Amino acid sequence: EADIYQTPRYLVIGTGKKITLECSQTMGHDKMYWYQQDPGMELHLIHYSYGVNSTEKGDLSSESTVSRIRTEHFPLTLESARPSHTSQYLCASSSHLGQGDGNTEAFFGQGTRLTVV
Amino acid sequence: AQKVTQAQTEISVVEKEDVTLDCVYETRDTTYYLFWYKQPPSGELVFLIRRNSFDEQNEISGRYSWNFQKSTSSFNFTITASQVVDSAVYFCALRSGGSYIPTFGRGTSLIVHP
Repeated sequence: EADIYQTPRYLVIGTGKKITLECSQTMGHDKMYWYQQDPGMELHLIHYSYGVNSTEKGDLSSESTVSRIRTEHFPLTLESARPSHTSQYLCASSSHLGQGDGNTEAFFGQGTRLTVV
Repeated sequence: AQKVTQAQTEISVVEKEDVTLDCVYETRDTTYYLFWYKQPPSGELVFLIRRNSFDEQNEISGRYSWNFQKSTSSFNFTITASQVVDSAVYFCALRSGGSYIPTFGRGTSLIVHP
């Protein structure tokens, strides 16, 4: 079973608020990812990290920011939430120790369903 | 570049029917990894299986089976004797050897009616 946790599970906030979505994993994985997904729709990569102090933007432009100060922690921040940010946010992690290594699947947290009113 | 195509947007079956979910992938790498995930209504993605490009053995796990064919770049997923609890969105994903980032298909929504 995957040891990756997201909080909060559900969040309803007002427009203009600053929020941070938390993601932590206890598997020691070096790679971490944030995906945005509208209900039942495809996943869009918005941020990823190869390791501590390494963050990159994903395919989908996002107004959010991320940080990776510790291996196990990869929070996502929205400085000023808007209704267009309403979505589900999924955090994932994986470990790649080299070609042919078996630990290559990404494990996902339960997601945060964000509603901005 | 890597790409995953799940042409079936939604499949509806009656319980106990067999159902196959299609997945076609594109990659230029000779080493790559294929995955299937299940996303139930609760929202989390549950990892189901991983296949390496150098291992074309098909796999069966209970009612689930996977057919990997490099000749057609396909990695199809079959559920035998479907059950209502199988209702979910299923995602196929690809990670090429040169990239650490998995690419997901658009997902196939499976609805199993009692």
